Amino acid sequence: DAGITQSPRHKVTETGTPVTLRCHQTENHRYMYWYRQDPGHGLRLIHYSYGVKDTDKGEVSDGYSVSRSKTEDFLLTLESATSSQTSVYFCAISGRQVNQPQHFGDGTRLSIL
Amino acid sequence: DQQVKQNSPSLSVQEGRISILNCDYTNSMFDYFLWYKKYPAEGPTFLISISSIKDKNEDGRFTVFLNKSAKHLSLHIVPSQPGDSAVYFCAASGNAGNMLTFGGGTRLMVKP
Repeated sequence: DAGITQSPRHKVTETGTPVTLRCHQTENHRYMYWYRQDPGHGLRLIHYSYGVKDTDKGEVSDGYSVSRSKTEDFLLTLESATSSQTSVYFCAISGRQVNQPQHFGDGTRLSIL
Repeated sequence: DQQVKQNSPSLSVQEGRISILNCDYTNSMFDYFLWYKKYPAEGPTFLISISSIKDKNEDGRFTVFLNKSAKHLSLHIVPSQPGDSAVYFCAASGNAGNMLTFGGGTRLMVKP
């Protein structure tokens, strides 16, 4: 299994509070991704990173920010959580070569009340 | 507008028979396609992939077929086993950043 750890695995918080999710990898891969999974939508890309301090927006980036200060860590922040951000969040990694599969962590279930 | 669609939300198959999961895409720039399998409370696991230069790729019980003219791919599982019961996602990529666009998933139930 790819060495990907997401923390926390579960979180319940209130609307308006800031939330940070962490993804940690031990594979030294260049690319890291944050997705959210919602019923009927599959997985949708929020943000991705192609190197330290190099990030870009995905399909559903509004309300989210990311940071990558080290190769192994990719943080996803909800500055002011809303109920529409209740979801399961997955981190993924992939290597430098084109057409490599992404490998996923086990997810964080986030509930915003 | 969804660029990758899995039109069957669920599929039920008897153990030992063939499971066929389907996926359609609209973006002609996609050139790499993947299937992932997902169990509850776990992350998606990579299953098999195919490049657009091929029309078939096989790995054990799993075969992926690609029909570029129809913008359609399918995953065949033969023979199906109860442990194959999971949600299957197809995904597509068409850029050097390896970004994936996912379908909505199909829940496969294999009955003993």
